[in-house]
Amino acid sequence: GQQLNQSPQSMFIQEGEDVSMNCTSSSIFNTWLWYKQDPGEGPVLLIALYKAGELTSNGRLTAQFGITRKDSFLNISASIPSDVGIYFCAGLSTYKYIFGTGTRLKVLA
Amino acid sequence: DSGVTQTPKHLITATGQRVTLRCSPRSGDLSVYWYQQSLDQGLQFLIQYYNGEERAKGNILERFSAQQFPDLHSELNLSSLELGDSALYFCASSVGPAPGTSGSSYNEQFFGPGTRLTVL
Repeated sequence: GQQLNQSPQSMFIQEGEDVSMNCTSSSIFNTWLWYKQDPGEGPVLLIALYKAGELTSNGRLTAQFGITRKDSFLNISASIPSDVGIYFCAGLSTYKYIFGTGTRLKVLA
Repeated sequence: DSGVTQTPKHLITATGQRVTLRCSPRSGDLSVYWYQQSLDQGLQFLIQYYNGEERAKGNILERFSAQQFPDLHSELNLSSLELGDSALYFCASSVGPAPGTSGSSYNEQFFGPGTRLTVL
């Protein structure tokens, strides 16, 4: 099935560092979403983006809707151990969501 | 706790068998979505129901079927199971029938904890 490309696939960072990840698609989306999935849990919505160029923050998280509508970026500032998990982007296509392949984040204390 | 419940939490079965996964949406939500997450993969959208009617279809195999009952709970039936069907199956629910369009409020999906299916 169709999936969005996320990078990096995984990353180890030191506590306190900033993190950047992105998501790209060959298709245009009208809505971009970022989720976090903790082990053994379902994904939880972090940020939703509705307009090209939009920049939205949620605490230490900031996400941007790419101007081409084919990409999106998520930044986490001053990472902490509980940021560990898998981060998924999702793009809205007609009546269904297309999910990214995930970025696995591991934070070293 | 998202308010979405899924049972069972784990399921182990053999190839060729049939299983049923159950999902109860959040109170007040009319839409139910089913997703499959294979090992180290993202979520693949399978199917959506809204108020008892099929609303959208994704990459759902013919061996799989789903329905939403009058009390709004949903069941995903997987038959003639193959090794490759081993995965996490998530259910999500939302209030409205469809995601919002550009500039409008997002009809947020709330995910359940998932059912881990292992086919041996």
